[in-house]
Amino acid sequence: AQSVTQLGSHVSVSEGALVLLRCNYSSSVPPYLFWYVQYPNQGLQLLLKYTSAATLVKGINGFEAEFKKSETSFHLTKPSAHMSDAAEYFCAVSAGLNAGNMLTFGGGTRLMVKP
Amino acid sequence: GAGVSQSPRYKVAKRGQDVALRCDPISGHVSLFWYQQALGQGPEFLTYFQNEAQLDKSGLPSDRFFAERPEGSVSTLKIQRTQQEDSAVYLCASSPMRAGGQETQYFGPGTRLLVL
Repeated sequence: AQSVTQLGSHVSVSEGALVLLRCNYSSSVPPYLFWYVQYPNQGLQLLLKYTSAATLVKGINGFEAEFKKSETSFHLTKPSAHMSDAAEYFCAVSAGLNAGNMLTFGGGTRLMVKP
Repeated sequence: GAGVSQSPRYKVAKRGQDVALRCDPISGHVSLFWYQQALGQGPEFLTYFQNEAQLDKSGLPSDRFFAERPEGSVSTLKIQRTQQEDSAVYLCASSPMRAGGQETQYFGPGTRLLVL
């Protein structure tokens, strides 16, 4: 079985500051990992994904995440926050081949950006 | 191009009423998923289709929930005798390939269901 834990349901940063959103996963098989962003009243949009190639993954809007197997982590970072980054962020793990690649999501982290 | 669309966007139902939620996936996408997102929580898997075949329905919370995709494109999620605990956002997602784990799922905007 797979699970995802996102530490911090709310994170507040100042505009221009570093963004760090934490994600730890549990998986019985080598995982595929995803970060999605959700703006109010919208669906989820893929930011980036790890598929066992490079451990440092670059995504859209300046976000990146590093897969660390030893720490079972996939934290999301952005060097400089922008007001438009305020949204809900979800980390997810794929269950893999035998389950039709359903996603298991964490509880989400709401990012607030202060001017 | 057109993304995943869902209708209605909002639905208010009286307890005990039946509802039907529609999902139009991206054209040609083989896989289709339904998720339920309760307020303040992450989405939770409900069911999965590969073309018209429902290969996994392990996430459906009760036998009041039923999903179909008869022609391998549009899908409908039906909830019978709605209860207040069914209030949530129902998300549909599609992906171009069959099972593979690493495939990106493209999400629709969701249907927000409120049961009074």
